[in-house]
Amino acid sequence: GEEVAQTPKHLVRGEGQKAKLYCAPIKGHSYVFWYQQVLKNEFKFLISFQNENVFDETGMPKERFSAKCLPNSPCSLEIQATKLEDSAVYFCASSQRRQSGGALHFGNGTRLTVT
Amino acid sequence: QKEVEQDPGPLSVPEGAIVSLNCTYSNSAFQYFMWYRQYSRKGPELLMYTYSSGNKEDGRFTAQVDKSSKYISLFIRDSQPSDSATYLCAMTIGSERNNNDMRFGAGTRLTVKP
Repeated sequence: GEEVAQTPKHLVRGEGQKAKLYCAPIKGHSYVFWYQQVLKNEFKFLISFQNENVFDETGMPKERFSAKCLPNSPCSLEIQATKLEDSAVYFCASSQRRQSGGALHFGNGTRLTVT
Repeated sequence: QKEVEQDPGPLSVPEGAIVSLNCTYSNSAFQYFMWYRQYSRKGPELLMYTYSSGNKEDGRFTAQVDKSSKYISLFIRDSQPSDSATYLCAMTIGSERNNNDMRFGAGTRLTVKP
């Protein structure tokens, strides 16, 4: 499609539950990025993919966060055993080029609330 | 000190005013500069994309980059109530090795009053 599509728009989980977020990048874009935005603060980079391969995962809290981009499927970001501090808006973005020098196109985000 | 500084505002102007939004940065290696507009409960939308120093104009929007001063600006002419949003600056180095060097400003919240 012509837009980055993220689902669901809102997600509410009790502390300790699992959360799974989905992202369909713009058709033809090879790079997918996940960002976390807490309380309208700056965007925190989590992970990026080039097609189905992890490109950079330096921002991922590895003990509870995982992500995948499989062929012919939406990309996903999964949080095991959610914590209160995971409450944030999670944005997915895609790009034709590497982030360096390539403009990002963002989805509308998934608002995760952990109670 | 943050790599990218942006006054969060809020900034309120009357309809028709010229709006000036600015960011400063500390890393002289940044080469690509972007402005995003984010409406409430939406994702950032790319407005302007420029490389290195200079000006770029698109309709009512003009982006300026002054690398010598490490200062970038976005001007909005004849501002409209529909321009009310948060404006984020972003910039990258353009490294071949690093895919995670995009840095965002905190965003300036703009309100254009009818």
